[in-house]
Formats: sequence, structure tokens, C-alpha cells
Amino acid sequence: SAVISQKPSRDICQRGTSLTIQCQVDSQVTMMFWYRQQPGQSLTLIATANQGSEATYESGFVIDKFPISRPNLTFSTLTVSNMSPEDSSIYLCSVEVAIGQGPGGYTFGSGTRLTVV
Amino acid sequence: QKEVEQNSGPLSVPEGAIASLNCTYSDRGSQSFFWYRQYSGKSPELIMSIYSNGDKEDGRFTAQLNKASQYVSLLIRDSQPSDSATYLCAVILTNNDMRFGAGTRLTVKP
Repeated sequence: SAVISQKPSRDICQRGTSLTIQCQVDSQVTMMFWYRQQPGQSLTLIATANQGSEATYESGFVIDKFPISRPNLTFSTLTVSNMSPEDSSIYLCSVEVAIGQGPGGYTFGSGTRLTVV
Repeated sequence: QKEVEQNSGPLSVPEGAIASLNCTYSDRGSQSFFWYRQYSGKSPELIMSIYSNGDKEDGRFTAQLNKASQYVSLLIRDSQPSDSATYLCAVILTNNDMRFGAGTRLTVKP
């Protein structure tokens, strides 16, 4: 299955600043997914990133706040802009992996633990 | 109604016992279901997938699916302390979006 390298693994940022998270996949994938996991909660999809087109954002997430780049089939970035303490969370990228008979599950990067102070 | 619901737990079982984790979903047209394990401070790891009604076994893990009842479960036999983690149920909806449950925290006591 695909291996994803995600960085940074953690960061502490000042409010009002921006942080860019990078994910590199060891194989070409059509779609990459960006999730947020707030403390003690499950995964919430932020957006789906396709190479060569604009990302598709879920309800409650906007491009100005979470701009995404997808310059090729192995790489994507998510920027958390104009951060506030409410953005403190774990951010994860993921790709679909083929399992066999049906749609694949996802494999995840190691996550970025963001704390905004 | 949430799209994917799980008992948040925590669920505590003694070592060697069977742990039973349950999940219900609201989209009747869903066809693909997954279980993920997430250790504290780590990212989720896919451990089981199931697409057809019935049981699917993989080692100590058995996934069970009942589409009529919109219910999927995960059984862990001979539970080990290393199985202590949060288990996330995930469902692919008819619009092809994947939705995760809130997770059930399992503790296996030696």
C-alpha cells in the first residue's frame, strides 16, 4: 500500500499566522484527502484534492482559510491561514488504497499536531 | 441522526476475552465498510474491510455486516493489551464520501 510522508509532525504557532503542511506519497494517486481530528473526536473531511483542478471543500471549510495545492500526482499541501486557537487540531492527509474486491480504505499520513497560542 | 454512530466507550475487557465493537449507519445505500485502529498519538490504521452481509475473519478479528439492520461490528478474540486503542468505524456513503464514526476506546486489562 502507499506510504505517505507528512510534515511537520507538530508545530506551535502564533495566532494570525499561517502554517503549510506537506504530504508526499510514494506512488501516483488521483485523489488526496485532508482531514482534521480535534482532541477526542473523530475525523472530519476538510477537502479532496485532485491534481490539475481546484480542491473540493466540505461544508464549513473554505478555500481562503484552508488553501490546498496539488501540483502533481504524488504531492499536496494544506495551509491553515490566519490561525486562531480554535484551529488547534491534528491534520491528516490520506489516500485511497486498493484492497481487492471493492472500494479501498484509506491510508493516512502520520499527522500534524498543530497548537495555536 | 449521525451518518455513522458508535458507542464512545470506554470499553474495558480482560486479557483473553472477546471485545465487541458496534457501529450503525444511516445511509441505507452504503456498500463499503471499514474498521480502523488508532493508537494514542498516532494516525488511524486500516484493519478490516467488509462489503457483503455476514462475517469476515482475519486472524483474531471478525467483521460482521447486516445491511438490513444497517449495522456493522468488529469482534476481537483473545484480546491483548496491545489491542488497547480507539477503533473507528467508517462507511462509504452513496455519494462516495467516506464518513467516520466518533470511535470507541478499548482498554484490554492484563
